[in-house]
Amino acid sequence: AQSVTQLGSHVSVSEGALVLLRCNYSSSVPPYLFWYVQYPNQGLQLLLKYTTGATLVKGINGFEAEFKKSETSFHLTKPSAHMSDAAEYFCAVSDDFGNEKLTFGTGTRLTIIP
Amino acid sequence: DAGVTQSPTHLIKTRGQQVTLRCSPKSGHDTVSWYQQALGQGPQFIFQYYEEEERQRGNFPDRFSGHQFPNYSSELNVNALLLGDSALYLCASSFITGIKTYEQYFGPGTRLTVT
Repeated sequence: AQSVTQLGSHVSVSEGALVLLRCNYSSSVPPYLFWYVQYPNQGLQLLLKYTTGATLVKGINGFEAEFKKSETSFHLTKPSAHMSDAAEYFCAVSDDFGNEKLTFGTGTRLTIIP
Repeated sequence: DAGVTQSPTHLIKTRGQQVTLRCSPKSGHDTVSWYQQALGQGPQFIFQYYEEEERQRGNFPDRFSGHQFPNYSSELNVNALLLGDSALYLCASSFITGIKTYEQYFGPGTRLTVT
């Protein structure tokens, strides 16, 4: 069975500071990993994904994540936080090549301090 | 190009009642998945429909059922509603046939409140 652990249900950073949201996964097979963002009263938007190939993945809005197999991690980073980054972020894992069922973490609420 | 749409936006039901939620996938997509997101939690997979058949199911009771129509749109039905069914129900669409992108596009969700 797959699982995702997001460390820190709430993270606060100052505008312009580094954003680091942590995600660790458990999977018995090579995982496919995703980060989604959810703004208030909206659905989920895909930020980035890792399937195969390069372990450093760049996404939208300046975010990137690095797949580290040895650490079973897929942390999300952004060099400089912007007020518009305030939202809920979800890490998800899928190990299914066809069905694409996603297993989500419990989410991290990111607050940006002006 | 319209993305994933869901209706209704909000819904209030009483315990024991039945509810139907609807989803239209993104244009060109052939697969619909449903997720339940309880307050303060991550989404949980309910089931997935492809070619009008339930393809995969999560750990949800039989009270949760679904349907996919020939135009790929989908319905989620929940019978005998419980207070614990109160949640945001998210629909996601994807394109399984052909080159896989492993991207699911989510709709805005339907907020169900059971009283």
